Order: sequence, then C-alpha cells, then structure tokens
Amino acid sequence: GAVVSQHPSRVICKSGTSVKIECRSLDFQATTMFWYRQFPKQSLMLMATSNEGSKATYEQGVEKDKFLINHASLTLSTLTVTSAHPEDSSFYICSASGGQEYFGPGTRLTVL
Amino acid sequence: GIQVEQSPPDLILQEGANSTLRCNFSDSVNNLQWFHQNPWGQLINLFYIPSGTKQNGRLSATTVATERYSLLYISSSQTTDSGVYFCAVGQGKLTFGKGITLSVRP
Repeated sequence: GAVVSQHPSRVICKSGTSVKIECRSLDFQATTMFWYRQFPKQSLMLMATSNEGSKATYEQGVEKDKFLINHASLTLSTLTVTSAHPEDSSFYICSASGGQEYFGPGTRLTVL
Repeated sequence: GIQVEQSPPDLILQEGANSTLRCNFSDSVNNLQWFHQNPWGQLINLFYIPSGTKQNGRLSATTVATERYSLLYISSSQTTDSGVYFCAVGQGKLTFGKGITLSVRP
C-alpha cells in the first residue's frame, strides 16, 4: 500500500519557538494532503487541507497565522507551528489522498 | 456537518473472544474507513468499505449505507489487537468517530 512519512516523529521545544513538521508521500503524488491534531485520549480533528501550489484551507477555529502550511511539491507538505505554547502540545498526523486516505505515523509535539 | 458515533466506547476481551464494533453516521456517505491506532499512534488502514462486506483474516467489516451504519468484527482476538479503533467518513477530509478502546487480556 501507499506510504506516507512524517518527520520528526517526536519533538520537544521551548515555548515561543517555531517547529516545522514534514509530511511526505513516498510512492505516489498527492495534490492534496490533510493535517489533523489529536489530543490525548481524544479523536483526530482536521486542522487544514493542504493544496499543492495554492493556499491551504483551514477549519473553523484553527489560526492560519499560527499553523503555517506549505505544499510546495506533489510529495511534500509542511506544517509550521509558530510561537509554540504548551497548549499546542499534541499529536499531529498528516494524510495524503491516494484513492483512499493514507496516514503518516504522526509527530508528537511537546512544548515546555 | 456529519456526525459519527462509535460504540461501545470501551471494550475488554479475553484473548480468543469475538467482538463487534459499531459505527453510526448521520448522513449518507461515499466513503467509510476503519482504522486501528496502535500504542505508538500509527493509524493503520483496516478497511475501505463504503458499502458491502469485506474480510481480511480475522477481521471483517460490513457497511449498510442505506441504514447508515458499519460494523467491524474481530474474531479470535489477540493481545496485539489492543488499541483504539476509529471509523471515519468522508472523501479526502475525514470526520472521525471518538474511537473504541479495545483491551485484549491474555
């Protein structure tokens, strides 16, 4: 099946810093990727839709200036959490459309 | 938007037992997927099943689209089946249920 990778798998940063998370589709091209966030013991909530070559579409309540998304190629989308705060600590998961949805392994962000 | 409800929220089984996990959705869907999230957070595709029945080893799933529900069957459960099971609906951007936490005891 299709493979989606994420990097890094785990990151710890200080409050106020920015963190970039990469999502790659390894064996297929994805014009659209999706970013989800999952807090402990909760379900996945869609944050934004990443569109190759155009601006991302954000879900209601997600700050576009805080969560910067760049989809510069057909195999790579990046999510940058700017000026991270402890409440941004979460598990971030991307998916790419290849017929059905394929998910990356996730990135666990801890903001101190 | 569409609502997705899963039941039961928690399930504890003895190894070797069978179980049925349910997913109800509030509107017609073109896509429904079942996932297993392992303890490390990885979401594993189990079934892409907008309608009908599929089987893969000890797992099978049935979606009755006209009645807006899907069932995931686990037979002869193993401890490695433990984790959280999600159903999700949608095309591209998915709406997830809250998940069912399954614990299989040896």
